[in-house]
Amino acid sequence: AQSVAQPEDQVNVAEGNPLTVKCTYSVSGNPYLFWYVQYPNRGLQFLLKYITGDNLVKGSYGFEAEFNKSQTSFHLKKPSALVSDSALYFCAVRAGGKGNNRLAFGKGNQVVVIP
Amino acid sequence: GAGVSQSPSNKVTEKGKDVELRCDPISGHTALYWYRQSLGQGLEFLIYFQGNSAPDKSGLPSDRFSAERTGGSVSTLTIQRTQQEDSAVYLCASSLVAAGGETQYFGPGTRLLVL
Repeated sequence: AQSVAQPEDQVNVAEGNPLTVKCTYSVSGNPYLFWYVQYPNRGLQFLLKYITGDNLVKGSYGFEAEFNKSQTSFHLKKPSALVSDSALYFCAVRAGGKGNNRLAFGKGNQVVVIP
Repeated sequence: GAGVSQSPSNKVTEKGKDVELRCDPISGHTALYWYRQSLGQGLEFLIYFQGNSAPDKSGLPSDRFSAERTGGSVSTLTIQRTQQEDSAVYLCASSLVAAGGETQYFGPGTRLLVL
């Protein structure tokens, strides 16, 4: 079974400061890892993903994430947070291999960027 | 281009009534997924369609839930004899193909409230 843990319920950060949202995963075999963002009353918006290759993945709106196989982590980062980054962030994992097509999501992290 | 669309955006129904939720995937996407987002449960997989293959129904919570996909495009999720615990946001997603690294793109969701 595949699962994702997002240990913090809410992340508060001052505008202009670095933002980190933590994610650890559990999966058999090689993982495919995704980050999504959800603004109020909206669907999930894709930010970035790790499939293979470089451990540092760059995505939309200045976000990046680092895949760490030994720590089974895929933390989301942004060097300088904006007030508009305030939203709900979801990490998701999909196990490699044929036939597994569902995403397992973490419970989400509310990010609050304080002006 | 157009993204995933869902209708209605909001639905209020009485306990015991049947409801139908509609999803229009991105044109050309062969894979379609339904997820449910509820307080305290996070995002959970419901069902997945890929082309003409038999759908993966393993996430459906009870036999009151069913879904179909006509002509390989539009999908309808039906909930019969709704219960209050069915209240949630139902999200539809589509991807180009069903492969591990493919990105799933989400619609805005249908917010269902069962009174």
